[in-house]
Amino acid sequence: KNEVEQSPQNLTAQEGEFITINCSYSVGISALHWLQQHPGGGIVSLFMLSSGKKKHGRLIATINIQEKHSSLHITASHPRDSAVYICAVRGQGAQKLVFGQGTRLTINP
Amino acid sequence: GAGVSQTPSNKVTEKGKYVELRCDPISGHTALYWYRQSLGQGPEFLIYFQGTGAADDSGLPNDRFFAVRPEGSVSTLKIQRTERGDSAVYLCASSPGPNTEAFFGQGTRLTVV
Repeated sequence: KNEVEQSPQNLTAQEGEFITINCSYSVGISALHWLQQHPGGGIVSLFMLSSGKKKHGRLIATINIQEKHSSLHITASHPRDSAVYICAVRGQGAQKLVFGQGTRLTINP
Repeated sequence: GAGVSQTPSNKVTEKGKYVELRCDPISGHTALYWYRQSLGQGPEFLIYFQGTGAADDSGLPNDRFFAVRPEGSVSTLKIQRTERGDSAVYLCASSPGPNTEAFFGQGTRLTVV
């Protein structure tokens, strides 16, 4: 079992829909990252969080440390949101990131 | 530069050859990471530098892989006797220090034929 599990692996939705991507992890962490990767492109950091909730534009990230679970939400989704969204955790006392396998999101117009 | 720069962006090499992949981190970033991403998978950790020293090299798969950061800035990932299984995108990231946000380069796509 991977240390970081994401669901769903693939998600297709219509423009305007509310999107939720989930991330569960099995180790104690110091921080959790949500990242975005476009096809053929590099990885862009969206959020780094260790507790509570963060919001940036139409993106919201939440984390529940006790349940070892985080969610990434996208409101009013748009085709330009189509990308792979990756959850990664930094274990306690470590610096490396351990990544989930990613969620491929496709938003149709 | 403004971001993390990796060169080359693409590299095709023959099985058994030696390759070097370069990473220029954001100026002033003391932490530098190398990751490897195979098709359809999330990145996997290779090595972490804090300054000039390799603070964690537990992700290097075997002794064919080696990385240096002699002046605490540019890093080079070196792969000897390349194998077809080494084909992947090699990602570099840097951050201002420990426990801070990481900034990723565009990656080097290595293809071993």
